[in-house]
Amino acid sequence: DGGITQSPKYLFRKEGQNVTLSCEQNLNHDAMYWYRQDPGQGLRLIYYSQIVNDFQKGDIAEGYSVSREKKESFPLTVTSAQKNPTAFYLCASSMGQGISYEQYFGPGTRLTVT
Amino acid sequence: AQKITQTQPGMFVQEKEAVTLDCTYDTSDQSYGLFWYKQPSSGEMIFLIYQGSYDEQNATEGRYSLNFQKARKSANLVISASQLGDSAMYFCAMRGETGGGADGLTFGKGTHLIIQP
Repeated sequence: DGGITQSPKYLFRKEGQNVTLSCEQNLNHDAMYWYRQDPGQGLRLIYYSQIVNDFQKGDIAEGYSVSREKKESFPLTVTSAQKNPTAFYLCASSMGQGISYEQYFGPGTRLTVT
Repeated sequence: AQKITQTQPGMFVQEKEAVTLDCTYDTSDQSYGLFWYKQPSSGEMIFLIYQGSYDEQNATEGRYSLNFQKARKSANLVISASQLGDSAMYFCAMRGETGGGADGLTFGKGTHLIIQP
């Protein structure tokens, strides 16, 4: 079955450590996205990528980094510079680059930093 | 800049009743798309329905319909004959033509819908 996988589902880290969240899709989609969700809030865009080896900052990119070396993969690194990293992180992909294309989401990774 | 406002933090509805979830939006784009997503307690985001700004008819998908009033900048989701499985968070989102429509979605803060038996 085609879809988006994110691993792990729960992740715990100590403050000051970098951590990388995995996102893999086998939908053959060109565009991929990372969102952050805080309790009682909607999703906010961190980074997005329209094509391999290219990505753009979203609304809250500070303290995060990404790479897009393969079409299928779009890992997100939460660096120690991110002041409040504890959140639910969702990866998404989209078939096309137009306003009508819905985004398909992975199951998410819940990151807790103490 | 785009903005989505969902004014109902939570709603309780009796099973089998219809429910309307409110969504208003603000954008300077002439062409844009409006989306509704469902988020169960498991956390996944499930796409429900899409409405384009130039679509003349309101979108429908099974028990879901979108009441689109362009002049009022509102895009309310209507769920007919609600079921217990409809209990979830519901998010309204949009994407405009700025950036070629290739950037991310702008989301509202969501409405927590609880269906009571």
